[in-house]
Amino acid sequence: DSGVTQTPKHLITATGQRVTLRCSPRSGDLSVYWYQQSLDQGLQFLIQYYNGEERAKGNILERFSAQQFPDLHSELNLSSLELGDSALYFCASSVHYRGTYEQYFGPGTRLTVT
Amino acid sequence: AQKITQTQPGMFVQEKEAVTLDCTYDTSDPSYGLFWYKQPSSGEMIFLIYQGSYDQQNATEGRYSLNFQKARKSANLVISASQLGDSAMYFCAMREGRGKNAGGTSYGKLTFGQGTILTVHP
Repeated sequence: DSGVTQTPKHLITATGQRVTLRCSPRSGDLSVYWYQQSLDQGLQFLIQYYNGEERAKGNILERFSAQQFPDLHSELNLSSLELGDSALYFCASSVHYRGTYEQYFGPGTRLTVT
Repeated sequence: AQKITQTQPGMFVQEKEAVTLDCTYDTSDPSYGLFWYKQPSSGEMIFLIYQGSYDQQNATEGRYSLNFQKARKSANLVISASQLGDSAMYFCAMREGRGKNAGGTSYGKLTFGQGTILTVHP
């Protein structure tokens, strides 16, 4: 158990809909990273938050947005969903390991868009 | 250009034998970190081992060791004494930069390779 929690575990929705994925980092971790794993694109970094502020942005679509709240949990909002958005979405939080900050992943949310 | 390349889509190994999973990387940043993660069929991502670019010795964690050849830009994962439970997808990943800035905050996205499916036969 990495200590990172994600809800829901599975989500099935229709095209055009909007969903929210939730992540709670490990206790004390200030950084949250979101990744998308799809068959087409593999594992890709989407966005990072640190203590409530956006720190880095990757290949995140404009239809997607995220935020980190004062209690450090984070939400990833996906709107106008398309079939190609079906993927496993991971959240990771940073822990200090051997002089650097490493990432431990949550169990993921499997999104299926029909 | 691919920053992380895993050339072996699939690998097979006999139980109790050792196996090497290949990973090459490309970066111009002198400071970087290399990681291996395991993803079983259940889907979770499990951190296995880390090697920093300035580390003088190859990293080891139990049955996992990282064969780091900086000049060749390779960071191969060696699993000794394979077990049936080692059957999974394995990802190599790289973080460029030191992983934190002067303010002590953390940054550093991970860039992943395409993965290698390892199957351990009894």
